[in-house]
Amino acid sequence: GAVVSQHPSWVICKSGTSVKIECRSLDFQATTMFWYRQFPKQSLMLMATSNEGSKATYEQGVEKDKFLINHASLTLSTLTVTSAHPEDSSFYICSASGFEGAFFGQGTRLTVV
Amino acid sequence: AQSVTQLDSQVPVFEEAPVELRCNYSSSVSVYLFWYVQYPNQGLQLLLKYLSGSTLVKGINGFEAEFNKSQTSFHLRKPSVHISDTAEYFCAVSDQRRGGSNYKLTFGKGTLLTVNP
Repeated sequence: GAVVSQHPSWVICKSGTSVKIECRSLDFQATTMFWYRQFPKQSLMLMATSNEGSKATYEQGVEKDKFLINHASLTLSTLTVTSAHPEDSSFYICSASGFEGAFFGQGTRLTVV
Repeated sequence: AQSVTQLDSQVPVFEEAPVELRCNYSSSVSVYLFWYVQYPNQGLQLLLKYLSGSTLVKGINGFEAEFNKSQTSFHLRKPSVHISDTAEYFCAVSDQRRGGSNYKLTFGKGTLLTVNP
């Protein structure tokens, strides 16, 4: 099956710093990737749609200047949380769309201290 | 726009018992349907999907689901559960109009399946 690799799986950073999360589709090309955020014991909330070679589309209420998304190739999308604050602490998950469905990375647990 | 309702937030069952996790959706257009499983602190693993064809879909780990268009449901079933099936299960839909490789998903709130010995 399709494999999506997300890195890092967990990260702790200081308030005010930036953190980059990578999402790679390992065995298929993904023109579209999605970034989700999941709060404890809750469902996934779509943050943005990442399209290869173009600007990301953000959902309402998501700050595009805070959550920078880059989709430079058909196999890699990155999410950078800029000037992170404790309220940004969460579980971030990416998914990559192939013809057979949407496949998810392992998730990244971000803790901002 | 679509919405997904998972009617049960928690489902406790005993090992080897059958289980059904319910999912209903609302949409003004045709949709694709998915079930995912999430273990603690992990991403989502695709259990099964309905894209077209037979309305009875078989997935991994012995799970199956049936698409019922008239009832707008896509319930997940397993005839005999194991302790290892304890996890969070998410039902999701995607608008068919978006095309074959653009699965923007709308998720239900999830159902925690707890299998007890």
